Parts: sequence; structure tokens; C-alpha cells
Amino acid sequence: AQSVTQPDIHITVSEGASLELRCNYSYGATPYLFWYVQSPGQGLQLLLKYFSGDTLVQGIKGFEAEFKRSQSSFNLRKPSVHWSDAAEYFCAVATAAGNKLTFGGGTRVLVKP
Amino acid sequence: DAGVIQSPRHEVTEMGQEVTLRCKPISGHNSLFWYRQTMMRGLELLIYFNNNVPIDDSGMPEDRFSAKMPNASFSTLKIQPSEPRDSAVYFCASIDNRGPNYGYTFGSGTRLTVV
Repeated sequence: AQSVTQPDIHITVSEGASLELRCNYSYGATPYLFWYVQSPGQGLQLLLKYFSGDTLVQGIKGFEAEFKRSQSSFNLRKPSVHWSDAAEYFCAVATAAGNKLTFGGGTRVLVKP
Repeated sequence: DAGVIQSPRHEVTEMGQEVTLRCKPISGHNSLFWYRQTMMRGLELLIYFNNNVPIDDSGMPEDRFSAKMPNASFSTLKIQPSEPRDSAVYFCASIDNRGPNYGYTFGSGTRLTVV
């Protein structure tokens, strides 16, 4: 069965600084990979996804992620964070189109002024 | 498109009562998922349907939980009887897995409190 690990439970970053959130997955083949963001009391919003092709994917809100097969990673990055980026971020994996999404434990991002 | 619609947004009920959560997926989506989110366990899949047929219900905690999808536009998750440990946020998500560029769309969730 697939699994997802987000090693960082909390990250604090200054506004304007860069951000990188780590995600490692466990699955024998190439998975379908996703990043979601959840603001307090809200649902999950899709930031970006990777199925195949170019390993650097662009998403909404200025986020990007890079798939590295050799490291079983799909890390999320943003060059310059805004106070509105404070939220919880979830990495998720599916083994095929339409199959269940398995989520990591999430990383809570705090943005300092 | 109104997105995935869940109702109610908040539900407070007494232990032992029956609770029914509702979900309307995005029109045309052919798969529907129910997730539960708690501080202790994070986001966990309860059950999912493909073309209205339950595919995997291994995440349903116990017999007190049941889910149905009578048609492509409606699903329910029922808890009977409810217990305080069922308090959580329950999310519904839908996808169209037949297209080349599909994604999982989540509803806003139902926050359930069992007292």
C-alpha cells in the first residue's frame, strides 16, 4: 500500500522568504501526486498535481513542485511567501486515476511579518 | 459550477443519536470519496464509490457507519448511534477519472460534534 510522509509538522518563515515543504512517498510505480492547502476552518484546495511528463510542475498562488523519482520525493516550493500563505499543506498520492488519495500528516506553515 | 456541496456545515448531536451527512458531487464526476479529519489521525479515507458502486469501505470504522450513493448526484454518510469519538470534520470529494486532466475536488466539510 502507498504511504506519504511529510517530515516537518510545523515550519515558520518570514514574509518574503522562500518556502520549501518536503514530501516523500512510498509506492512501487510512478504515483499520481498532489499538493493541497487548507486554511483554518476551510476545505482542501488543490495547489498542483503531477501525473507524468515534466517533473517540475507549476500550480496556483505561485507554488511549484518537483518530482524526483530517485528520491521518491515531491517537494513544494514558493520563492517568496505572503502572509496569506499561512495554512496547512498536505501532500497526497494516488496509485492510479480514480483511486483513493492517501494523505501525509500535513505541514503547518506560520508566516512572520 | 458550484463545486462539491456538503450539508450541513455544522452538526451538534447527542451521543446515541443518528447523524446523516450529505454530499452532492460535481455534475459529471464518476467517483466519490468520504474522508474524516481529526487531530489525532489526520485525513483518512472512509469509503469511496465509482459509478455509484462502493469500491473500498475498509476505512469505515465500524458497523455504526454506513454510506450510500443511490444516484450519481447524491451520497450520504450515516452514523448510528453516534459517539463522542466520532467528532471530526467529514469531507466529501469527487473526481472525473475519465478525463486527461482530472483532479480531486473537495467540499467544505461537515464539522460534527457529538456531546
